[in-house]
Amino acid sequence: GQNIDQPTEMTATEGAIVQINCTYQTSGFNGLFWYQQHAGEAPTFLSYNVLDGLEEKGRFSSFLSRSKGYSYLLLKELQMKDSASYLCAVNEGNNDMRFGAGTRLTVKP
Amino acid sequence: DTAVSQTPKYLVTQMGNDKSIKCEQNLGHDTMYWYKQDSKKFLKIMFSYNNKELIINETVPNRFSPKSPDKAHLNLHINSLELGDSAVYFCASSRDPGSGNTIYFGEGSWLTVV
Repeated sequence: GQNIDQPTEMTATEGAIVQINCTYQTSGFNGLFWYQQHAGEAPTFLSYNVLDGLEEKGRFSSFLSRSKGYSYLLLKELQMKDSASYLCAVNEGNNDMRFGAGTRLTVKP
Repeated sequence: DTAVSQTPKYLVTQMGNDKSIKCEQNLGHDTMYWYKQDSKKFLKIMFSYNNKELIINETVPNRFSPKSPDKAHLNLHINSLELGDSAVYFCASSRDPGSGNTIYFGEGSWLTVV
């Protein structure tokens, strides 16, 4: 089977840094993705990791450790518009992209 | 202009009815998907097609039947709708399912069964 686990909810303050963790156990691994989903909208791509290490993209960074089955998404200088759900997803190969249940982030003033 | 488009966006229908959701992508992608997102926001894969061929068929009731007339289209037909089918259905597409090829989602179809 497959498991992709992430916290259900997180709250942080505007201007702060927040780290959203994701652990996974999947039958295959062909890369890990993070998506952002605002309420009532479709998920949109944020980042991708296939090798161990940190990928930085502006205020957002994502880290992967394949041996530990672990990733995190780091959001810096939080803005109110960052309030959304953040979905961790694993490409298992063979047209199969599996998603975690998502972490709902609330940014407070 | 829209990369992945699906219709209708909103659908309210009675139990027992049959309905279809259409999806088209103009990205030239080979792979298309249907995902279901329930009230708890869990996004679950239902089907994936690669070049009109069914690749993934998760344990969904056989009341759900996908149809891919060509690689740019993947429609979802649902027979005998039940209350539990109420959810948001997202169509998506990607290039070859190799590493690094992200999935692009349509705007979603909000299905409510009453």
